[in-house]
Amino acid sequence: NAGVTQTPKFQVLKTGQSMTLQCAQDMNHEYMSWYRQDPGMGLRLIHYSVGAGITDQGEVPNGYNVSRSTTEDFPLRLLSAAPSQTSVYFCASSYSGGEDEKLFFGSGTQLSVL
Amino acid sequence: GQQVMQIPQYQHVQEGEDFTTYCNSSTTLSNIQWYKQRPGGHPVFLIQLVKSGEVKKQKRLTFQFGEAKKNSSLHITATQTTDVGTYFCAAPTDSWGKLQFGAGTQVVVTP
Repeated sequence: NAGVTQTPKFQVLKTGQSMTLQCAQDMNHEYMSWYRQDPGMGLRLIHYSVGAGITDQGEVPNGYNVSRSTTEDFPLRLLSAAPSQTSVYFCASSYSGGEDEKLFFGSGTQLSVL
Repeated sequence: GQQVMQIPQYQHVQEGEDFTTYCNSSTTLSNIQWYKQRPGGHPVFLIQLVKSGEVKKQKRLTFQFGEAKKNSSLHITATQTTDVGTYFCAAPTDSWGKLQFGAGTQVVVTP
């Protein structure tokens, strides 16, 4: 079991470039989500999905797109990178709700936008 | 909307001392979770509290959920250098699985 796999680990972009952060999980989790982590602000939810074909916005969705075509994959797309999107990005997944909805996190992607 | 506030933001602790970090919400929570993130690492789930007044222990860590289910605390006794990291509380918001995280308590341990 690899758990939650994120790629790449590091990325540097120029303002205006686009890219996709990849996330895959092999635990057959229904729920997947993307968070960004900035100093002093904890983890803020960008987008999430409760199953294949279903996505919804989190707290800070602007500038990001997601899709969920399979249970395993949940890529995050930056449409036109801005310096404000410099952050550490974490993908997470969990089983369905209730008392077993703990999140399993990937190892993160450190993104710098110049 | 729901706000999850966590204090303190930083905690410097002498090895062997105890400390507590607190998490407060403006609304009643269905449950609360705690995560630990080591420097340079990713958050790792520690525990989930569901019942009013619930207390759970993991070795030197004691987690408590308030009677009104609006606050929670994490108490660490006899702090060790392995306790270094940032501790986050997290609670569901308006829909299933949509966890809101507190800003975290960054713990630094001095030998």
